Amino acid sequence: NAGVTQTPKFQVLKTGQSMTLQCAQDMNHEYMSWYRQDPGMGLRLIHYSVGAGITDQGEVPNGYNVSRSTTEDFPLRLLSAAPSQTSVYFCATMGELAANTGELFFGEGSRLTVL
Amino acid sequence: KNQVEQSPQSLIILEGKNCTLQCNYTVSPFSNLRWYKQDTGRGPVSLTIMTFSENTKSNGRYTATLDADTKQSSLHITASQLSDSASYICVVSAGSNYQLIWGAGTKLIIKP
Repeated sequence: NAGVTQTPKFQVLKTGQSMTLQCAQDMNHEYMSWYRQDPGMGLRLIHYSVGAGITDQGEVPNGYNVSRSTTEDFPLRLLSAAPSQTSVYFCATMGELAANTGELFFGEGSRLTVL
Repeated sequence: KNQVEQSPQSLIILEGKNCTLQCNYTVSPFSNLRWYKQDTGRGPVSLTIMTFSENTKSNGRYTATLDADTKQSSLHITASQLSDSASYICVVSAGSNYQLIWGAGTKLIIKP
């Protein structure tokens, strides 16, 4: 089992370019989410999904778009990249939605630099 | 405002020594408290999850404590190993799995 797979691992963009970060999971988890991690700060939730066809905004959704057409995939789109979006992005899944103690499983991260 | 504060920011100890990391939170409503380990360049990995009624939970050499009255938690690492070098992140759930408040982490370095 691969678990949670993120691609690409590294990406450099110019301001204004668009791109998609891919996230795929093989654990059949209902919940998928995207976080960003910046130096000196805690992880911040961008968007999340509780199942195919259902998405919702997290704490910092501006400038990002998501869709969930299948259980396995949850891509994150940057519409027009800005230097403030330079960060490390993590995709995370959770299987036990009903229990508040559901464990999060993270991908390896995608490091994005916007020039 | 919901907040999770961790101390110290960074810590260096010798291999084989014990250490304790602190977490203070002001989160309401409180559902559970989690500790994660994040190796450099990797995603966080769950160590423990504690609910309101649990005041101690162990995972091998890691022992987490929770005092819900004072809103404090600690993570104690016993007989540290070089592989314990990582960031340790305290996370508090504010009522649901979607409302996780993340601390900035404590960076732990174990020296031989």
